[in-house]
Order: sequence, then C-alpha cells, then structure tokens
Amino acid sequence: DQQVKQNSPSLSVQEGRISILNCDYTNSMFDYFLWYKKYPAEGPTFLISISSIKDKNEDGRFTVFLNKSAKHLSLHIVPSQPGDSAVYFCAASFGADKLIFGTGTRLQVFP
Amino acid sequence: EADIYQTPRYLVIGTGKKITLECSQTMGHDKMYWYQQDPGMELHLIHYSYGVNSTEKGDLSSESTVSRIRTEHFPLTLESARPSHTSQYLCASTAGAYEQYFGPGTRLTVT
Repeated sequence: DQQVKQNSPSLSVQEGRISILNCDYTNSMFDYFLWYKKYPAEGPTFLISISSIKDKNEDGRFTVFLNKSAKHLSLHIVPSQPGDSAVYFCAASFGADKLIFGTGTRLQVFP
Repeated sequence: EADIYQTPRYLVIGTGKKITLECSQTMGHDKMYWYQQDPGMELHLIHYSYGVNSTEKGDLSSESTVSRIRTEHFPLTLESARPSHTSQYLCASTAGAYEQYFGPGTRLTVT
C-alpha cells in the first residue's frame, strides 16, 4: 500500500504563473516532509522541506504547505520559470530514518 | 551540499554478466542508501547502511548485494544480471539529517 501519493502525474503551467503540486500521505507517524526535483538522467536534488510541527515553510519562490488533519502537503512555485520543468517528488520520513517517496509529478512550464 | 559520485553513468550489459555499480561520497556521511527507480514510479529503497560494516536490505526486495568497508564507498553488485534488472539506480547519503543527497544515478540496461 502506497503511503505517499502524488495523484497528478503531470502539470502544465504558463511561465510567470503559479505551479501547485500536491501530495497526500496515509501514515500519521511521518514527522518530516521533503520535496525533490529531478531532471531526466540525473539524481534528485533536494528542494525544500517541512517539519510536522509547522504548517508552512518558504524559500524564495518555493513554499510548502502542510495540512496535518487532511494528511496533505503542497508545493507552490511562484512565479514559475521554464527551468522549473522537471519531475517533482514528494517524500516523507519518520525519525530521520528512511524516506518514502511518491511517484512524482512532471511539471512543464511553457512560455 | 554533499559531493556524491556514481559510476558508470550508463551501462548496457548482456544477461548473466556480473556488474558492480560504484558510489562514493566525500562528505564523511555515515548513512548511505541505494534506490531503484523506473520511469513514472517512485524511488524504491533497496539497500542502506548506517556505517562501516553495517548493511541492511530495504523495502523493495532486490537480488543485488552491497558492502560498506569504507565510510565513503558503498558499491552495489549484481552477480548475474537479468533484463528485469534494467532500471535507474540512485545512491544517496546523509549525515543524519532528514535530507538525503543523491548522486547522478546509473542507468542500467540488461539485454
């Protein structure tokens, strides 16, 4: 059973607009959540994270929101740029042990 | 950010061959991980290590084996490659925090 789910396999957004990527999880024991960005034929790169004791974390154009009651988190990218086109993976962890990844959402930002 | 290296980047090999995928990191991280990822799928943990002479199997069963003789080196070996082993293999490390840092990956194709 998949504990971390990204139900949208792809998202297409115009340059300059907001991109919203969503992630749902089932295990209430997760205490930390991360977003990774992956280009083809490369390894994932860490983007932003949030602890379960917070509901928002911001880093430049990237903001992650956590709704614990809904077991849902989202990544907002504002404004979106063509260089943001990649696959975005949501991951969750309990106790800094292993990471559980979602299946990814392919973001395409067009001019 | 961790410096983590994987070789080879691409490998095409025939069925039955023995292969070793190399992973090295220069940050002195104790924790290292191997993931397997197919297109459109999540990253699956296949092996991890919390230090020298410590190795464990991950959540996804794998016919590969690993060793950790030195802190910086975490190679993965397939004794007899099969077409079902065709995938991308990603190595990661961390000093103990939640964020894992990934290498560029090895794309393995078994013919």
